[in-house]
Amino acid sequence: TQLLEQSPQFLSIQEGENLTVYCNSSSVFSSLQWYRQEPGEGPVLLVTVVTGGEVKKLKRLTFQFGDARKDSSLHITAAQPGDTGLYLCAGVMDSGYSTLTFGKGTMLLVSP
Amino acid sequence: DTAVSQTPKYLVTQMGNDKSIKCEQNLGHDTMYWYKQDSKKFLKIMFSYNNKELIINETVPNRFSPKSPDKAHLNLHINSLELGDSAVYFCASSQDPFETYEQYFGPGTRLTVT
Repeated sequence: TQLLEQSPQFLSIQEGENLTVYCNSSSVFSSLQWYRQEPGEGPVLLVTVVTGGEVKKLKRLTFQFGDARKDSSLHITAAQPGDTGLYLCAGVMDSGYSTLTFGKGTMLLVSP
Repeated sequence: DTAVSQTPKYLVTQMGNDKSIKCEQNLGHDTMYWYKQDSKKFLKIMFSYNNKELIINETVPNRFSPKSPDKAHLNLHINSLELGDSAVYFCASSQDPFETYEQYFGPGTRLTVT
């Protein structure tokens, strides 16, 4: 059973379009992170959200944590080719010595 | 100034061989991890070390043995390599395992077992 479900799995769009990627779970997370991974590289942290209902913006990227802390979304406005990559959400379920649980990722391809 | 570095970047070897991957972080973090990313890009934790002590050991075959000589280094040794071990292995570190677990990943080691 996959704790974190990401959708869509793959997204191919044209430069300038808007898009939203979703990360859903039936479990409650104390915090949730979004990473972007480019080919041949390791994932790079984009943002961490910890409060239900929290919204964070990073230039053209808007991240939202669901009120019940079970889901999150990533919205990209006016996508650019440089946004191309694998977007991963990851959540922390418990405090103490716990681990991040990763979703399977959304592969985004932005064409010029 | 590479924060988390891994060597080698690529590793091609035959079944049955033993190999090691090295990882170093210069961020001063207390916790280090090994992850495995399969061909479908699913990232799964294997091990976690805090201040040289093993704190998480997921269901990984005992052919995989991590070693942490100090808190800046976490190496992964793999015995009797199998075809299914082919994957990209990522080392990561984080400042505080009790908080948000924000991970800083290395560039990965692509292991191919033939």
